[in-house]
Amino acid sequence: GNSVTQMEGPVTLSEEAFLTINCTYTATGYPSLFWYVQYPGEGLQLLLKATKADDKGSNKGFEATYRKETTSFHLEKGSVQVSDSAVYFCALSPSNDMRFGAGTRLTVKP
Amino acid sequence: DSGVTQTPKHLITATGQRVTLRCSPRSGDLSVYWYQQSLDQGLQFLIQYYNGEERAKGNILERFSAQQFPDLHSELNLSSLELGDSALYFCASSRRGGEQETQYFGPGTRLLVL
Repeated sequence: GNSVTQMEGPVTLSEEAFLTINCTYTATGYPSLFWYVQYPGEGLQLLLKATKADDKGSNKGFEATYRKETTSFHLEKGSVQVSDSAVYFCALSPSNDMRFGAGTRLTVKP
Repeated sequence: DSGVTQTPKHLITATGQRVTLRCSPRSGDLSVYWYQQSLDQGLQFLIQYYNGEERAKGNILERFSAQQFPDLHSELNLSSLELGDSALYFCASSRRGGEQETQYFGPGTRLLVL
């Protein structure tokens, strides 16, 4: 079936550290891949997306590349800020419903 | 602000009761999705409507039902509530409800069943 597996959290980093959150997927066909972010007390916000192999999604300094050969969509940021503290969800959309990973909580300390 | 609105923000009720959650999609979006977010199950897709008709069904219990009205707002009805129904319920919307479309999420309704 279609599913997403993302690295377990929580992740704690110091400000300006490099961030990687791993995400791998299982899917039939060629789904779109997404990263959503959930700040405390808020709903999910789209962070970035990629619709086909080798596409790179980017937004607010975050990047992720759709890798078909490794079925991965890892989220990276070169220098995190305290304001990036949130829960990050990897998701795929093979059909009408979106499948989410379990979420990774990121805490950035000053 | 995604443009998706949900009411109420919080809801506290007792077991056995029935509640209705409301969602207004972004202007121009025809499709509405409902999700449940709980600590043990994560974020789970419940149901999708497109232009008033049910399009896809996920892990929605028989005690739960939804509908989308002609003005495109949607309601999720939860009945015979149990303690385990306590969760965050999110609504999302998309333009045409097609595969691989970006979904825009509302702020959620936090339901507490006592």
